[in-house]
Amino acid sequence: DTAVSQTPKYLVTQMGNDKSIKCEQNLGHDTMYWYKQDSKKFLKIMFSYNNKELIINETVPNRFSPKSPDKAHLNLHINSLELGDSAVYFCASSQIYRDGNSPLHFGNGTRLTVT
Amino acid sequence: AQSVTQPDIHITVSEGASLELRCNYSYGATPYLFWYVQSPGQGLQLLLKYFSGDTLVQGIKGFEAEFKRSQSSFNLRKPSVHWSDAAEYLCAVLTTSGTYKYIFGTGTRLKVLA
Repeated sequence: DTAVSQTPKYLVTQMGNDKSIKCEQNLGHDTMYWYKQDSKKFLKIMFSYNNKELIINETVPNRFSPKSPDKAHLNLHINSLELGDSAVYFCASSQIYRDGNSPLHFGNGTRLTVT
Repeated sequence: AQSVTQPDIHITVSEGASLELRCNYSYGATPYLFWYVQSPGQGLQLLLKYFSGDTLVQGIKGFEAEFKRSQSSFNLRKPSVHWSDAAEYLCAVLTTSGTYKYIFGTGTRLKVLA
């Protein structure tokens, strides 16, 4: 069973469109994340949810809206897509332990191409 | 501010040679450190982690890393590289002051020559 799964794997769309990426984890983790990886492979956090509550929002444009219906799901909706949104988006989850033994588990990524 | 630096953007080694990838972090409290590997077109796989105890940690695929607090470093090593090790390697620190946040370095692209 895939631990963190996100769909779709590829998304090609035109500027101005609205699209969503879905993410689900079956690890029982209480925290989920969205990361954006640019063409230079830099991985930057966008959002983090803990038990459905938004805890990190890293200066992401309002066009990006995460939604967490339950702690196993974190979806990302993007309005009015722009060329600069083209990137690979990774969903991840973790269970935060106070001793730090809390690695991130990643999905396989969604490659978004805006034309 | 917390940050992770991977000074080498690209590294090329011959198959069978030893490897060391550098990672330096900036974080005032006890760092929790991770190395991930990303193969082309794939997600990120955890290689190893340090959160306490022995400063030399063993990971999967024959990798190890050593935490050196005095140098704020967590370098990744492998004694003999295989062609299948060609990938992107990312170092990360988990910060726990306030909101828990994983901060990644910019990555090192490893190329392996046959």
